[in-house]
Amino acid sequence: GENVEQHPSTLSVQEGDSAVIKCTYSDSASNYFPWYKQELGKRPQLIIDIRSNVGEKKDQRIAVTLNKTAKHFSLHITETQPEDSAVYFCAASIIDAGANNLFFGTGTRLTVIP
Amino acid sequence: EAQVTQNPRYLITVTGKKLTVTCSQNMNHEYMSWYRQDPGLGLRQIYYSMNVEVTDKGDVPEGYKVSRKEKRNFPLILESPSPNQTSLYFCASSSLAAGDNEQFFGPGTRLTVL
Repeated sequence: GENVEQHPSTLSVQEGDSAVIKCTYSDSASNYFPWYKQELGKRPQLIIDIRSNVGEKKDQRIAVTLNKTAKHFSLHITETQPEDSAVYFCAASIIDAGANNLFFGTGTRLTVIP
Repeated sequence: EAQVTQNPRYLITVTGKKLTVTCSQNMNHEYMSWYRQDPGLGLRQIYYSMNVEVTDKGDVPEGYKVSRKEKRNFPLILESPSPNQTSLYFCASSSLAAGDNEQFFGPGTRLTVL
């Protein structure tokens, strides 16, 4: 099955700096890569996703890049703010297989220092 | 309001006492899934369902059962809970329509098995 690895496990940045979280996946058939943000005590919520026919996607301060050849994808957060502090999870899925099974990385705890 | 609900939110029980965690969604989603979240392990899929009466095992199904008798409900059953099932459980749902893959998570159920 799919194996998703995520690094780093913890990340501290100064407010205003950028943060980058990286993930690799093993199954070349995976074609959907969402990122979830989980605040303390809350449910995971989708913040951005990318499909394999696109190399980069941006939404305001958040961007995701995908390298299908190397099987890795990354989350970039620019101009970080204290409210960006949370645990971030990457995931991979094959969305054309009749199901929508997400395989998650182990998470990155991001701390933005004011 | 479109949402996924779970009950109970918190549960403390003893080894061997059967329990059910309910999950319901009001978005007419075909796909529903259960995950458990443990520190350092991310979210791991327990069971999933692609439609009524269609269920299948995820990565960590041992000790769990599910049913999908109605489209909106997907209960998780622990017939004989054990301490290693102490965890945070999330139910999620999504459409299976092309291009509409976001999984929506419930608020979580924190289970402690003594």
